[in-house]
Amino acid sequence: GDSVTQTEGLVTLTKGLPVMLNCTYQTTYSPFLFWYVQHLNEAPKLLLKSSTDNKRTEHQGFYATLHKSSSSFHLQKSSVQLSDSALYFCALSESAGYQNFYFGKGTSLTVIP
Amino acid sequence: NAGVIQTPRHKVTGKGQEATLWCEPISGHSAVFWYRQTIVQGLEFLTYFRNQAPIDDSGMPKERFSAQMPNQSHSTLKIQSTQPQDSAVYLCASSWDIYAEQFFGPGTRLTVL
Repeated sequence: GDSVTQTEGLVTLTKGLPVMLNCTYQTTYSPFLFWYVQHLNEAPKLLLKSSTDNKRTEHQGFYATLHKSSSSFHLQKSSVQLSDSALYFCALSESAGYQNFYFGKGTSLTVIP
Repeated sequence: NAGVIQTPRHKVTGKGQEATLWCEPISGHSAVFWYRQTIVQGLEFLTYFRNQAPIDDSGMPKERFSAQMPNQSHSTLKIQSTQPQDSAVYLCASSWDIYAEQFFGPGTRLTVL
């Protein structure tokens, strides 16, 4: 199966509602997890990253916690804004072995008024 | 710091022609990645280099696509005998190491007529 799985392809939400974008991963090695955001006609940019188990990391109102027990790194925000409409990619880097890097398929988030 | 530089920004080729895309990574970064992005397939990993050595080319189409990194200041992606299905935005990214944040260039939009 895929090394990084994002279950939602498209998410549409009304402004002000909370959002959670799912990301699960598979690796034998100690993982580094990333969330990248790509706005329309722009290049992807790093939003969050973590390699520490059970520690919440936050940036620009978004937050995620790496849970190694469930191999998850879900992205959340308590109140989405119109400007949050973008593509969100979860990515995994392996700390050892071939040190491969994997991107998820991405989730398109659309926030409506 | 100019960021990752990709040239050209737009390229139009006729079917069967060759296309060479250039990427200049951020100075000091040891890892360089190539991706392809389309509406249908999303973001696809193609290949990456670490300290100029090819590490993983599992995403590269076996025929017609090749990538090189002759020195630490630039990498090229060459597509021989381009086909309409090669039309995409090709993104280059660099990072100081495999487990660090990737910085993306603006991309090269390739259109094959």
